[in-house]
Amino acid sequence: KAGVTQTPRYLIKTRGQQVTLSCSPISGHRSVSWYQQTPGQGLQFLFEYFSETQRNKGNFPGRFSGRQFSNSRSEMNVSTLELGDSALYLCASSPKPGDEQFFGPGTRLTVL
Amino acid sequence: KQEVTQIPAALSVPEGENLVLNCSFTDSAIYNLQWFRQDPGKGLTSLLLIQSSQREQTSGRLNASLDKSSGRSTLYIAASQPGDSATYLCAVSDSWGKFQFGAGTQVVVTP
Repeated sequence: KAGVTQTPRYLIKTRGQQVTLSCSPISGHRSVSWYQQTPGQGLQFLFEYFSETQRNKGNFPGRFSGRQFSNSRSEMNVSTLELGDSALYLCASSPKPGDEQFFGPGTRLTVL
Repeated sequence: KQEVTQIPAALSVPEGENLVLNCSFTDSAIYNLQWFRQDPGKGLTSLLLIQSSQREQTSGRLNASLDKSSGRSTLYIAASQPGDSATYLCAVSDSWGKFQFGAGTQVVVTP
């Protein structure tokens, strides 16, 4: 089985722009979670989707949003980028919420 | 609110020594506990998953124990190798499926 894939792998944006990241889960996995990882804050939960519905949401501003499609692929969007949004964004998939999570390689976002 | 703590934050051992990594959590009402390793700049690799009804899980040189009543899990890595150098993270999930991660333990195995 192919693993979790994330595109793009690297992104450079400027403040004020918006960005969309994509995640394709392992085939058959219907739950997708997103995390932000920074050296200072560690791994922080953004949100989780299951069957196209957002089930859990972390403590992030409304500039961070996401969605899940009927094929379980997920996208997250960050609008009005700030310097502090520079981070590694990780996506994880599992068959259903709470099951063993498998992570993708991440998208490295740099905001200038 | 669930809090997950990993102590120590960093650990250095000579090759061949056994590694003992600790994870503690404040709310014992967990669904699963999962151990990961992360290499610099990379995603997380799943090592072991322990369901709340289990006491331990083993995979090769790795063994993880779970004591829900005391809110603790321990990951043992036998006969460490330089390739085991990485950051090890534990995470617990609740019945709603939300995972909470610890900050990790950075391990260096010296040849």
